[in-house]
This record gives sequence, structure tokens and C-alpha cells, in this order.
Amino acid sequence: KAGVTQTPRYLIKTRGQQVTLSCSPISGHRSVSWYQQTPGQGLQFLFEYFSETQRNKGNFPGRFSGRQFSNSRSEMNVSTLELGDSALYLCASSQVVPGTDTQYFGPGTRLTVL
Amino acid sequence: AQTVTQSQPEMSVQEAETVTLSCTYDTSESDYYLFWYKQPPSRQMILVIRQEAYKQQNATENRFSVNFQKAAKSFSLKISDSQLGDAAMYFCAYRSAGANSKLTFGKGITLSVRP
Repeated sequence: KAGVTQTPRYLIKTRGQQVTLSCSPISGHRSVSWYQQTPGQGLQFLFEYFSETQRNKGNFPGRFSGRQFSNSRSEMNVSTLELGDSALYLCASSQVVPGTDTQYFGPGTRLTVL
Repeated sequence: AQTVTQSQPEMSVQEAETVTLSCTYDTSESDYYLFWYKQPPSRQMILVIRQEAYKQQNATENRFSVNFQKAAKSFSLKISDSQLGDAAMYFCAYRSAGANSKLTFGKGITLSVRP
């Protein structure tokens, strides 16, 4: 099976812009989670989607949003970018039931905000 | 709230030797899962090993094994016969068995392997 894929792999934006990141889960996986990784804060949970519904949300401002499509692919959007949004954004997918299955990670999208 | 603590930021091991990475966690729940993930310089997060809290037997995956002490809330990773390819950042992670749970990570530990 193909692994979790994320596009784009690298992105450079300027402050105030918005960005959309995409994640395609492993075939058959219906749960998708997003994480932000920075040197200072480490890995922080953004949100989790299951069957097109947001099931859990981390402590991030409303500028961070996401959605999941019927084919389980997910997108996350960050509006009004700030310098502090520069990070590696990781997507992870798991099988049918969130909380009971292992999450498998994609290669990440490296976002740089100038 | 659950927390995961990895107190050692860096460790080094000689090739072919054994190294143990420490992790402690705090939770009031009885049913949960623990993981060790490896993140090499490529930044791809790779699952190393997983442990279900209800299982008393420690998980093992080839050269990787854990020492799970539920009462002490300790979950250490032992890497035997260390190889150069084991050099990476290792993250300990916790996830409740509940339906809406999230994965909580420790700060990670950087492991270097000396040839």
C-alpha cells in the first residue's frame, strides 16, 4: 500500500497570505490528524477528522482550519499567516476507529513564512 | 491532561552496543496506547513500536523492545545492536483509548550512533 502523501512538500509564503496543505491517507484509512512541529514547541496536535467530521481540535487559533472529503483526503488551511506559523506540518492517518489504531505519518510539508 | 516527558535531550551509543531511551507519562486513565516514533533527518516520522496498556507483556520488534511499567508510568525503549541507521530523533507518544483522543508527544531525544 502507498503511504500517507502530503503536498506540497515545501512552501514559502509571506506574512498575511493564506495557505492550503493537502494530505492523502493510506488507502482504507478514514481518520486523518494534523500536527505542527517546531523546534521550540515540539509536536503539537492541530485537529483530527474522521468520516468528514472534526472529532478533536488542539489549542490553535481560528486561523487554522481543516476539512476532510468523502474520499478521506484532508486539507488544512492557515489564513493571515504569521512568522510563527513557520513549521513542519505533519499529517497522519489511521484505520477505522480513532483512538484504537496506530497513526502513520506522511513526510510533512515544510512551511516557511517570510 | 496527559503529559509525556522525555528528560534526556540527547544520547549517544557505540555501534553494536545497546542503548535505552527513557520516557514517563502522566495520565489518570487505565486504557491507553504508548508509542515510540523515530524521525530521521528526512523528517519522515516512522513508527518503531507500540504498546497497549492492558497488555502486561512488553512489546518487541526485532532489535527494539520496551520496558513498560504501568504502575510507575514508565515506557522506555531499548535498542539492541545499534546501527548507524538508528541515528535519529525518537519521540515517545501517548494516546488514550477513547474515541476522541489525540496523540500527545514528548519533546524527543536525539540519538547519535558512533561508528
